[in-house]
Amino acid sequence: GAGVSQSPSNKVTEKGKDVELRCDPISGHTALYWYRQRLGQGLEFLIYFQGNSAPDKSGLPSDRFSAERTGESVSTLTIQRTQQEDSAVYLCASSLAGQSYEQYFGPGTRLTVT
Amino acid sequence: QKEVEQNSGPLSVPEGAIASLNCTYSDRGSQSFFWYRQYSGKSPELIMSIYSNGDKEDGRFTAQLNKASQYVSLLIRDSQPSDSATYLCAGTDSNYQLIWGAGTKLIIKP
Repeated sequence: GAGVSQSPSNKVTEKGKDVELRCDPISGHTALYWYRQRLGQGLEFLIYFQGNSAPDKSGLPSDRFSAERTGESVSTLTIQRTQQEDSAVYLCASSLAGQSYEQYFGPGTRLTVT
Repeated sequence: QKEVEQNSGPLSVPEGAIASLNCTYSDRGSQSFFWYRQYSGKSPELIMSIYSNGDKEDGRFTAQLNKASQYVSLLIRDSQPSDSATYLCAGTDSNYQLIWGAGTKLIIKP
């Protein structure tokens, strides 16, 4: 079946601009995660959605970052007033239910802020 | 702070040998553990999950979990150059939140 998809695959933006990244989870997966991975670094948790529960936003690095999810489908991660330190790969994953379940990752969006 | 720790490596293993990757965790209440493989420039790919003490085998891969000693390991038999990647360990803590290790870089030498 179809895996997790993300768009765009690459995004180059100027410092100060807003960007929106999209994630389509695996159908039927109620949990969705966003991670950031800087070059040569590990995964940095950003936000977690589980069904209709309030999202866990504890990993968002600043109020410039926000994310939404419509029901149990598409999610968008928005970064406002981008900074050069926002340059990274943004990964989305989904799982059947909560964090005890296996997560499946999308291909990521490579964001470059110039 | 709850942690999952891995040696960053690189771990260099000759082709055909067994590669042994280790991971320790701090929360004794941790229940579920996962191993992911990440090739350079790619996203993480699930290799195995393990929930109970003991060994779990899948092809050339064996995951081992020892909750008393709080470690989980991944063995790769008959290592191939295509196994060269970074291996990420993750485990859920007692609050069912997933904690990620920083990864171990594995290099298989032909």
